[in-house]
Amino acid sequence: GAGVSQSPRYKVTKRGQDVALRCDPISGHVSLYWYRQALGQGPEFLTYFNYEAQQDKSGLPNDRFSAERPEGSISTLTIQRTEQRDSAMYRCASSLQRGQETQYFGPGTRLLVL
Amino acid sequence: GQNIDQPTEMTATEGAIVQINCTYQTSGFNGLFWYQQHAGEAPTFLSYNVLDGLEEKGRFSSFLSRSKGYSYLLLKELQMKDSASYLCAARNSGNTPLVFGKGTRLSVIA
Repeated sequence: GAGVSQSPRYKVTKRGQDVALRCDPISGHVSLYWYRQALGQGPEFLTYFNYEAQQDKSGLPNDRFSAERPEGSISTLTIQRTEQRDSAMYRCASSLQRGQETQYFGPGTRLLVL
Repeated sequence: GQNIDQPTEMTATEGAIVQINCTYQTSGFNGLFWYQQHAGEAPTFLSYNVLDGLEEKGRFSSFLSRSKGYSYLLLKELQMKDSASYLCAARNSGNTPLVFGKGTRLSVIA
């Protein structure tokens, strides 16, 4: 596609529910990154993939968070048993190849846990 | 550890020049990036430096000193539309994720 897309754009859920956030990177981009951004802060790294392989998940806050990219394209970030502190903007970015400098960000999913 | 420092807020006048500073401490180094982020929007790429010196791109320039762990973003001929947050980010090595600072919120006033 023309740019990185994410869905849903907004998600309101009740505490304890599971949510799945989707990222569709720019076509042909090898690397895909997940970040979380609090209001007034810079993006904070969560995890990233090269093709379908998860390279680093050290930024995931705890084991309720997981991500996959089974076919090396679309990725899903799943948060189980959501808590209010999970409320944030979740951003996805992709880059053309490993080590390629420019990451292109998607519009983000605003998650609100009530 | 990794640390990126940049001022929280800056104000400048339309038509003027503003310099946004960034200092970084990372375990390795493979690039310093600047992104612009308007309120409610995604960050957009502005510039990338991996060697010392100045990179110029239109009204925007970015400078890097690796020995000092220091970079700045220079915006010339400021326009109202330049009001945004400017994010400094560093990368440790080849294909690792970016470490972002908290961003500098720039307000351009008439």
